[in-house]
Amino acid sequence: GENVEQHPSTLSVQEGDSAVIKCTYSDSASNYFPWYKQELGKRPQLIIDIRSNVGEKKDQRIAVTLNKTAKHFSLHITETQPEDSAVYFCAALSGTASKLTFGTGTRLQVTL
Amino acid sequence: SQTIHQWPATLVQPVGSPLSLECTVEGTSNPNLYWYRQAAGRGLQLLFYSVGIGQISSEVPQNLSASRPQDRQFILSSKKLLLSDSGFYLCAWGTQMVRTEAFFGQGTRLTVV
Repeated sequence: GENVEQHPSTLSVQEGDSAVIKCTYSDSASNYFPWYKQELGKRPQLIIDIRSNVGEKKDQRIAVTLNKTAKHFSLHITETQPEDSAVYFCAALSGTASKLTFGTGTRLQVTL
Repeated sequence: SQTIHQWPATLVQPVGSPLSLECTVEGTSNPNLYWYRQAAGRGLQLLFYSVGIGQISSEVPQNLSASRPQDRQFILSSKKLLLSDSGFYLCAWGTQMVRTEAFFGQGTRLTVV
């Protein structure tokens, strides 16, 4: 089955700096890769996603890159703000099993 | 528009008691349905997923079970809860024909005492 690894587990950056979170996946049939943000005590919310036919996608301060050959994808947040502090999860949707597997999460702390 | 309902929001149950969490989806048909568990400060562990009525795939061995009696209803159950069953349980749905995100319910915070 699919295995998604996520690094780092915690990340502290100063306000205005960039943050990068990396994930790898094992199932070459996976073809959809969403990123979620989870604030304390709340449900995960989608912030950006990318499909396997695209190498990069950007939405304002957030971007995601995908390298299908290496089976890894990354989340980039630029000009970080305190409200970006949360736990971020990557995920991969298996093309065969219809199941969404999550990484272990990254706790991002943006300090003033 | 599609909505997902999950209840209850919080639950405190004694060890050995039964459990039933319910999730329903509106505004879509034949969704993929998921149950995830999140222990405090941890990641999202996929417990069960379903691609259709009566079709349940279990990801991890445990004393929990899931059922899908109707197309848009997904139930998580246990006959006897353990302390280790405490956590934040999230139901989610996704479409089958077009690869999209999973939409999460509000979650149920279960504390087994």
